[in-house]
Amino acid sequence: QSALTQPASVSGSPGQSITISCTGTSSDVGGHNYVSWYQQHPDRAPKLMIYDVSNRPSGLSNRFSGSKSGNTASLTISGLQAEDEADYYCSSYTGSSTYVFGTGTKVTVL
Amino acid sequence: QVQLHQWGAGLLKPPETLSLTCAVYGGSFGGYYWNWIRQPPGKGLEWIGEINHSGSTNYNPSLKSRVTISVDTSKNQISLRLSSVTAADTAVYYCARGSYTSGFFGVRKYFDPWGQGTLVTVSS
Repeated sequence: QSALTQPASVSGSPGQSITISCTGTSSDVGGHNYVSWYQQHPDRAPKLMIYDVSNRPSGLSNRFSGSKSGNTASLTISGLQAEDEADYYCSSYTGSSTYVFGTGTKVTVL
Repeated sequence: QVQLHQWGAGLLKPPETLSLTCAVYGGSFGGYYWNWIRQPPGKGLEWIGEINHSGSTNYNPSLKSRVTISVDTSKNQISLRLSSVTAADTAVYYCARGSYTSGFFGVRKYFDPWGQGTLVTVSS
């Protein structure tokens, strides 16, 4: 199973919106609505931000939203804030009782 | 509030066996699959495998020949063993709660919460 493809970096100014893509295949992203997104600050464990393509965990800011079209899932961060600067990873269930992660995207707030 | 605490040897020589343990505090242990995930320094996340309370496991095909995940339900703990390690196995290893054991509770295909991570370095 190959890693899902994400852009290496995405940047934006405070208040702007950015979108991170996550491209897989019909066996993973395209075949199941089980895409999740994780935020990771330096030297910290990943934190769940989105599950099942577009659902937010309780208490999480609604500035984070997810969507999917075909084999590509997307994470959008609106109203970008300094604390959003982190690495972001997507993950997908593959349907054969395994999971695959994305290559990761570094978000920089300019 | 579920919390995961993990520990294990941090420095190994090739071809020793990596051994880590993750303890689960609070919440239901038996209702979920418990996962191991790793992250080489400066690189992305890689799913290693999962286990439930009855010992049913699923592994990443690329690591399956070297990985053993086990469970101790009396202590609400899971363990990871990775044999014949090389420098390529140097990584921060995380445990994390995953999917429901039974479809009766619905479908849950994500990882939350995570342990604090354990850095394992393999060097001769």
